[in-house]
Amino acid sequence: NAGVTQTPKFQVLKTGQSMTLQCAQDMNHNSMYWYRQDPGMGLRLIYYSASEGTTDKGEVPNGYNVSRLNKREFSLRLESAAPSQTSVYFCASSEQPGTSGPKQFFGPGTRLTVL
Amino acid sequence: GDSVTQMEGPVTLSEEACLTINCTYTATGYPSLFWYVQYPGEGLQLLLKATKADDKGSNKGFEATYRKETTSFHLEKGSVQVSDSAVYFCALSRGSNYQLIWGAGTKLIIKP
Repeated sequence: NAGVTQTPKFQVLKTGQSMTLQCAQDMNHNSMYWYRQDPGMGLRLIYYSASEGTTDKGEVPNGYNVSRLNKREFSLRLESAAPSQTSVYFCASSEQPGTSGPKQFFGPGTRLTVL
Repeated sequence: GDSVTQMEGPVTLSEEACLTINCTYTATGYPSLFWYVQYPGEGLQLLLKATKADDKGSNKGFEATYRKETTSFHLEKGSVQVSDSAVYFCALSRGSNYQLIWGAGTKLIIKP
């Protein structure tokens, strides 16, 4: 059981380049999330998808786009990378929300550097 | 809006010491509360959770009690090990889309 997988693990971009971060989960979860993690700031939600076919902005969506390709896959695209987007990016998924609240499962992260 | 505040780190302790990492929250209603742990080089994983006032979550020797009167969810462990070295995140969830609101994280360093 792979859980949540992310590719690539590391990436270096030049300012203005574009790239797509890939995420897939094999737990049949409805909800998926993209976060960025910066030192001293914890996790900030970029975009989320509550269910297949829907996406919504989180706290810091500017400069990013997402695609929920199917129930398994949720990609994050940087159209024109900026140094401010240097960060560690985590994808997560969760079960259908219930009374006990969401338990999110995280991928291993992508460390992105924009020069 | 909703928010979570954690004590700043790093917190450095010797092996077998007692641990408390403070977490307080601001939210209307009755959120669910969580502690996640991030080991070096890995993604986050759920450590424990509590869904209503006075609930105690526990796992791997860690405990946290949901205190509505003080809006707190402090993480405690009686005797820490070197393998507990990690970053610990407090979070809450509230609302129909069940997003998590995260604290900034507290880095814990345990020395042998």
